[in-house]
Amino acid sequence: DVKVTQSSRYLVKRTGEKVFLECVQDMDHENMFWYRQDPGLGLRLIYFSYDVKMKEKGDIPEGYSVSREKKERFSLILESASTNQTSMYLCASSLGRDGYSGANVLTFGAGSRLTVL
Amino acid sequence: GQNIDQPTEMTATEGAIVQINCTYQTSGFNGLFWYQQHAGEAPTFLSYNVLDGLEEKGRFSSFLSRSKGYSYLLLKELQMKDSASYLCAAKDSNYQLIWGAGTKLIIKP
Repeated sequence: DVKVTQSSRYLVKRTGEKVFLECVQDMDHENMFWYRQDPGLGLRLIYFSYDVKMKEKGDIPEGYSVSREKKERFSLILESASTNQTSMYLCASSLGRDGYSGANVLTFGAGSRLTVL
Repeated sequence: GQNIDQPTEMTATEGAIVQINCTYQTSGFNGLFWYQQHAGEAPTFLSYNVLDGLEEKGRFSSFLSRSKGYSYLLLKELQMKDSASYLCAAKDSNYQLIWGAGTKLIIKP
């Protein structure tokens, strides 16, 4: 069974702390994504990566950075956590970004719920 | 701007049929996705439409009209386990996904 694994389901951090959210996929997918999910809003893309050591800003990159040193691992970093970053963070991966329907289905992790106090 | 609209919440009865609508406005169009998300769990893929018409997969069907910027997800023979949020997402000309806020479906016995 293919999997996207997020290391932490629940985290509580203090304002100003550095936070690492780890995501690993075992499907040899090229593309990896970080979203945040907030009530009443659609998923919002923070960063994505189409290849190792490559990263692209999504719609809301401010306050976040990412790292992709290996194909299977994509990390989201909050350099200095703030209360408005309290959210559910979802990692996802997909095989390819072109129009081929089977290739660009996203497989999501179970999410990391971050609370910043 | 780009936008996806879907109802916030719907209620239906076990064994019945429900239709969840989604309208979209995107810069270009490269397909529309439906995902299911149970509370506290990961979204999972349900369907993908890129051509007009109805795609049927067991109890679930998805319809697309590109000219109207409209899709719906049809769930038949509803079961209690279908209680979940249903996320609509359209892919724009840059292959970026634009997501709706999701429709929470409540199934009553």
